[in-house]
Amino acid sequence: NAGVTQTPKFQVLKTGQSMTLQCAQDMNHNSMYWYRQDPGMGLRLIYYSASEGTTDKGEVPNGYNVSRLNKREFSLRLESAAPSQTSVYFCASGGSINNEQFFGPGTRLTVL
Amino acid sequence: GEDVEQSLFLSVREGDSSVINCTYTDSSSTYLYWYKQEPGAGLQLLTYIFSNMDMKQDQRLTVLLNKKDKHLSLRIADTQTGDSAIYFCAERPYNDMRFGAGTRLTVKP
Repeated sequence: NAGVTQTPKFQVLKTGQSMTLQCAQDMNHNSMYWYRQDPGMGLRLIYYSASEGTTDKGEVPNGYNVSRLNKREFSLRLESAAPSQTSVYFCASGGSINNEQFFGPGTRLTVL
Repeated sequence: GEDVEQSLFLSVREGDSSVINCTYTDSSSTYLYWYKQEPGAGLQLLTYIFSNMDMKQDQRLTVLLNKKDKHLSLRIADTQTGDSAIYFCAERPYNDMRFGAGTRLTVKP
């Protein structure tokens, strides 16, 4: 089992460019999440998907869109990147036993 | 306040015990968690405690929960250099999980 995988690992964008961050999990979890991590601020939830076909806003959704393509995949799209979106992005999927979350390795995004 | 709060830094000597403290916000959280993040990696679940427990021990790790004060702590016994990382506490009152800002533990030889 690969767990939670994310692509790409690193990305540099210019202001105004668009891109999609990909996430996939092979643990048959219903819930999936996108977080951003900024220094001294912990993780902040951008969007989550409680089940296939549903998505909900988290704490900081502005400037992002998501797609839950199927049970395995949950993508995050930046339509017009801004320097304030420079961050490390983590995808996670939710276990059902203890409600724990399993994290991918992260995508480090820099917007110039 | 609304945030899960942790001190940002902790430095200990190898072999000493480390205690990382956290104050959470929502008494309805069923589980409380400690995650570990090593440099350049994602978060890994270290341990968790069910809200009806006061203490949980798992090898070198001891979690203490004070529900009245909404205080959670993680004690690492015999701290090793490999324990150097950022430790996040988290609560999960609803569908989302709320994380503290993380405590950077530095272990000096």
